[in-house]
Amino acid sequence: QVQLQESGPGLVKPSQTLSLTCTVSGGSISSDSHYWTWIRQPAGKGLEWIGRIYISGNTNYNPSLTSRVSISLDTSKNQFSLKLSSVTAADTAVYYCVRYGYWYFDYWGPGILVTVSS
Amino acid sequence: DIQMTQSPSSLSASVGDRVTITCRASQSISTYLNWYQQKPGTAPKLLIYAASNLQSGVPSRFSGRGSGTDFTLTVSSLQPEDFATYYCQHSYTLPYTFGQGTNLDIK
Repeated sequence: QVQLQESGPGLVKPSQTLSLTCTVSGGSISSDSHYWTWIRQPAGKGLEWIGRIYISGNTNYNPSLTSRVSISLDTSKNQFSLKLSSVTAADTAVYYCVRYGYWYFDYWGPGILVTVSS
Repeated sequence: DIQMTQSPSSLSASVGDRVTITCRASQSISTYLNWYQQKPGTAPKLLIYAASNLQSGVPSRFSGRGSGTDFTLTVSSLQPEDFATYYCQHSYTLPYTFGQGTNLDIK
């Protein structure tokens, strides 16, 4: 059974960089059948796709965030990571790491709340 | 971006009721449409993929239909554990987007 787990600081100051890591267990991040994805959800609101990375290193980002976001892979640790720069209060949300394959999001981490506040 | 619009935004129903949630895409997305269920404090769970395919382990009272721009999710007989928020999501092109959600609560 594939499991994903987010980790990182729960509090980030405005203008700083949010950094999160997702650790994958029960499956290899080197799979050529899946993309590794970040999705976020502000409290009481809907879901926003942030971006994804493939084993080749190819990335795709939401145009609304592309100037501030970066996703990377560490195959030696079976992890992938998210960096979001110049954060504001609008970036406060629960961040999910998610596996995407065959056109749908099938495995989700439990989510991590990141609050942007001084 | 393709906009996904769900209706209704909220719905009250009773155990045993049949309910239908609608999702409309701002352009044709063929059958690249998925449905998720989310309960408070937990991650979304995949219910239906490719418009009408039931994810493994999901009860058969859930069903999905549609293609092009109009889609439905139906729960044939609501159970207590079905009260949750439901989201549609397209995988037709990037960026993937979700509907705003339908909150299904107990009448």
